[in-house]
Amino acid sequence: SAVISQKPSRDICQRGTSLTIQCQVDSQVTMMFWYRQQPGQSLTLIATANQGSEATYESGFVIDKFPISRPNLTFSTLTVSNMSPEDSSIYLCSGQGKETQYFGPGTRLLVL
Amino acid sequence: AQTVTQSQPEMSVQEAETVTLSCTYDTSESDYYLFWYKQPPSRQMILVIRQEAYKQQNATENRFSVNFQKAAKSFSLKISDSQLGDAAMYFCAYRSALNSGGSNYKLTFGKGTLLTVNP
Repeated sequence: SAVISQKPSRDICQRGTSLTIQCQVDSQVTMMFWYRQQPGQSLTLIATANQGSEATYESGFVIDKFPISRPNLTFSTLTVSNMSPEDSSIYLCSGQGKETQYFGPGTRLLVL
Repeated sequence: AQTVTQSQPEMSVQEAETVTLSCTYDTSESDYYLFWYKQPPSRQMILVIRQEAYKQQNATENRFSVNFQKAAKSFSLKISDSQLGDAAMYFCAYRSALNSGGSNYKLTFGKGTLLTVNP
């Protein structure tokens, strides 16, 4: 299985600020994705991180709010911009292996 | 658009007994993948089992097996000889088998079933 790491594992932030989450995957991964899991809810795809180009966002998510970079095959960042308490969630990075999608441990974000 | 429904928000089972978690899905596609993921309190999503829609044989992984009914669009997970470590949130997920772009690799999740294992 693929190894995926994320940092930070958790953070508490003030509203109006921004947080950048980093994701590192191993070489078995081709596609990379970012999901949001709101408290007590299921996972919702934010975007597909494309290497060297703009991410592909799902309906309801925009680049200005969630800018994503993927400068190379194994690294991606998600920024949560101009945060509000509604952004308090777990943010998970995932990577598509040959047949299975693997997940990082998640970043738990609390916005005060 | 595909949807995944888990009708059991919570389930409980006695240690060493068997429990079945339900999942139904809706799709117009004929080829796809179905997954069960486990999310313990540590929140690390762990793949439990995978089923390819073109395979009629139900997938099994040790104590975990599925009952895949393609016509009924049903994909239930059976956990045998339940252990305390099986306690977690279980998510059913769908993925298209079409390879026409990155978005077709996205997973669509159900709302999850919280499984409690009683000693």
